Amino acid sequence: QKEVEQDPGPLSVPEGAIVSLNCTYSNSAFQYFMWYRQYSRKGPELLMYTYSSGNKEDGRFTAQVDKSSKYISLFIRDSQPSDSATYLCAMSTGRRALTFGSGTRLQVQP
Amino acid sequence: EAGVAQSPRYKIIEKRQSVAFWCNPISGHATLYWYQQILGQGPKLLIQFQNNGVVDDSQLPKDRFSAERLKGVDSTLKIQPAKLEDSAVYLCASGEGRGRVIGYTFGSGTRLTVV
Repeated sequence: QKEVEQDPGPLSVPEGAIVSLNCTYSNSAFQYFMWYRQYSRKGPELLMYTYSSGNKEDGRFTAQVDKSSKYISLFIRDSQPSDSATYLCAMSTGRRALTFGSGTRLQVQP
Repeated sequence: EAGVAQSPRYKIIEKRQSVAFWCNPISGHATLYWYQQILGQGPKLLIQFQNNGVVDDSQLPKDRFSAERLKGVDSTLKIQPAKLEDSAVYLCASGEGRGRVIGYTFGSGTRLTVV
C-alpha cells in the first residue's frame, strides 16, 4: 500500500465549477500537508500549506485536513481555464522530505 | 529571487550510457533534494542534502545512481549505466533548512529519455 493515495483523474469540469481534489494517507505521523500545482513541463509550485488538522482558505482555494480519517482535500471555487494543471498532494512528518501523491490532472473547459 | 536552475532541460541517451544532471539551488538554501518523477506519477525522493552532507538517500539506487553537493551549493546527479526505466523527469528542489518542510522551490526539471 502506498503511503499517499490520490485519484489520477483526469478530471474535466466547466469553467466556474467547484472542484474537489482529495488524497488519503496511511502514515499517522504526517503533520504537514501541502498541495502543489504542476503545469506541463514545469516543476511543482506550492499552492497551499496546512499544519495538522483544520481548514485554510486562500482566495478561491480551500485546503482541509481530517487527521482522524487520514483524508485531505483541496477545493477550488469558480474554476478558471488557467487552473488546468496537475495537482499533487504532499505530506511530511516534519523529520523527512515530502512524500507526494501521484497527482490529479484537472482540465477546466472554457 | 532567482529560482532553482537545472540543466540540461532535455536529454536522450541509449541504455547503458551514462548521464549527469546539474542543479543550482536558491542562494542561501541549505537543503537540496533530488526527486524522480515518472510520467503519470508523483515525485519520488532520491536524495536529500543538508549543506554538503547526505540526510536521506534510502531510495537512491546506489548501484547506478550517485549524487554530490560540492561546497554545499551546486549539486550533480549521475546515472551510470542508464536503464530504460530511468526515463523520467529529474527534479531538483531547495529549501531553507532541515526542519522547514514548507518553502520547497522546485526547478523545471531535466527530462531524461533512455532508448
